[in-house]
Amino acid sequence: AQSVAQPEDQVNVAEGNPLTVKCTYSVSGNPYLFWYVQYPNRGLQFLLKYITGDNLVKGSYGFEAEFNKSQTSFHLKKPSALVSDSALYFCAVFNSGNTPLVFGKGTRLSVIA
Amino acid sequence: ETGVTQSPTHLIKTRGQQVTLRCSSQSGHNTVSWYQQALGQGPQFIFQYYREEENGRGNFPPRFSGLQFPNYSSELNVNALELDDSALYLCASSATGGSPLHFGNGTRLTVT
Repeated sequence: AQSVAQPEDQVNVAEGNPLTVKCTYSVSGNPYLFWYVQYPNRGLQFLLKYITGDNLVKGSYGFEAEFNKSQTSFHLKKPSALVSDSALYFCAVFNSGNTPLVFGKGTRLSVIA
Repeated sequence: ETGVTQSPTHLIKTRGQQVTLRCSSQSGHNTVSWYQQALGQGPQFIFQYYREEENGRGNFPPRFSGLQFPNYSSELNVNALELDDSALYLCASSATGGSPLHFGNGTRLTVT
């Protein structure tokens, strides 16, 4: 069965600094990997996905993620953080067929002005 | 393009009661998934419907049941509510397997 680990409950970063939110996954076969963001009292919003191809994936709001097969990681990155990026971030993995999208427990990002 | 809408937004029920949550999927999407998100946790998969048939289920008891209608809207029914059922219930629709899920804003269920 597939699983996702987000090792950090909380990440704090100063506005303007680069940010990284970590994610590792476990899945048999080739993974489909996703990042979602959740603002208070809202559903999850899709940021980006990796299916195949270039290991560096660019997504919404200036976010990008790097797929590393040997380390089974898919870390979310942004070169310059904004206060408005403060939210809950979820990494998710999908295997194939009728298997569901499995989410990590989330990482709370706090960007301080 | 109309996104995923869920109703109601908030609901308070008493232990032992039954509840029905509703979801309208995004236009063009034929797959609906339901997730339970407890406070401070990631979303947990409840079940998925494709063309009115359940085609995947997570580790939830049978008192969690669902329906999908010909217009691809969906319902989640929970019988014999327990205190631990208090959570945000998220509905998501997608076009095909592996395509991104589009989430509604959820229904906040409180069981007292």
